[in-house]
Parts: sequence; structure tokens; C-alpha cells
Amino acid sequence: EVQLVESGGGLVQPGRSLRLSCAASGFTFDDYAMHWVRQAPGKGLEWVSGISWNSGSIGYADSVKGRFTISRDNAKNSLYLQMNSLRAEDTALYYCAKEHSGSYEGWFDPWGQGTLVTVSS
Amino acid sequence: SYVLTQPPSVSVAPGQTARITCGGNNIGSKSVHWYQQKPGQAPVLVVYDDSDRPSGIPERFSGSNSGNTATLTISRVEAGDEADYYCQVWDSSSDHQVFGGGTKLTVL
Repeated sequence: EVQLVESGGGLVQPGRSLRLSCAASGFTFDDYAMHWVRQAPGKGLEWVSGISWNSGSIGYADSVKGRFTISRDNAKNSLYLQMNSLRAEDTALYYCAKEHSGSYEGWFDPWGQGTLVTVSS
Repeated sequence: SYVLTQPPSVSVAPGQTARITCGGNNIGSKSVHWYQQKPGQAPVLVVYDDSDRPSGIPERFSGSNSGNTATLTISRVEAGDEADYYCQVWDSSSDHQVFGGGTKLTVL
């Protein structure tokens, strides 16, 4: 069974940093691209970033480009999101999601349960 | 950037057919994927590549895509189908994944 477990969320002050992790199991991690998708309280889904199977292709939403960095460690079956210069509008539930292929141009299946990031002073 | 437009809400009686639209410029040339999200839960893929269903998704869920509109159709709607539904595409011109704003399906 595919499992994605996010961690690392919490309460952080504006301008500070946070690193999210996603532990993957139940599939050959280095065969698939991965994504981070977020959902602000009461709002819709917003794609944050995607990374190909070998980290050769990476993309970011305009709202986080230059502040967030996605990475993966295939040896540890883990996905990461380094979030710097956090803003109140980054407050959201952050989901990790598996791509259906090695590139990040398709659909997301499955999703983790999410980790909550709250940016507030 | 590419924009996907969904109606905020759709209501349907049990046993009837619900149609949720997703509008975008020439969306028919893209592959559209649909997700169901129930309160307090993570999204679940219900249709991919316009009209394919993942294993475990009932045949009542189907999709179509042509011109400027993609549609998720849920036949014989059940109370358990009440949820938010999101469409999603890959926009190659911006190298971005894009979600629609979501549609809340209410079963009357």
C-alpha cells in the first residue's frame, strides 16, 4: 500500500523558515515525480512545487518561487520542502502527492494527510 | 497564466445526475484530472486523462473534455458523493500545474 506521511509543520513567525518532510513507502520512490500542494483554511487547492524522479526537472508556483526549495533523497524515500521568508499567506495545510510517472506533468495519486503550517507573530 | 473556472456549487437530488464543469481556454487540448475532497480528508483522484477511472472508483464517475469545457459527471448520485471537486491540468506554457477553484457538490 502506498503511504505518504508529511511532517515538519507548525507555528512559525513571519520571515522565518521551516522544512517539511514527506516519508514515502509502498512503491519504488525513485521511479516517480513528487509534488507539494497546499490548501489555505477554507480555500481551494494550490500547487506549490513539483520535482521529477531524478531531480532533473523542478517547478514552482509563482507565489513561492525564490522562497521555497523542493528536494528529494531517493536513498531515504523522502521528499522535502524548504520554506524561507515565510508570510502569513503561506498558512495552509501542505500535502505531499505522488505523480503517476517520472515527470511532474500528470496527475496526483495518492496524497498524504498533510501537515499544517501556520505563519503568525 | 492558465485559469480553470468551476462553478462554486452544484446541487442535485439523490439518484439524479450531477455535472460539474471546468472551463479553460482550449482545455480540450489538455488532459484534465478530477479530485474529490470530503471534509477533513485529503483529495482523492476520481478521473484522470479526461475520462479514465482509477481502480476502486465507481463507474458512476465519468469525465469528458472538449473545446473550452471539461465535465465531471456523477450518475445516480448518493449522499456519500457530497464533497468538493477540483479539476486540474498541466499548463506546458508556464510549466505549472493548475487547479480549478473547486465545486461544492450538495446532495439535497
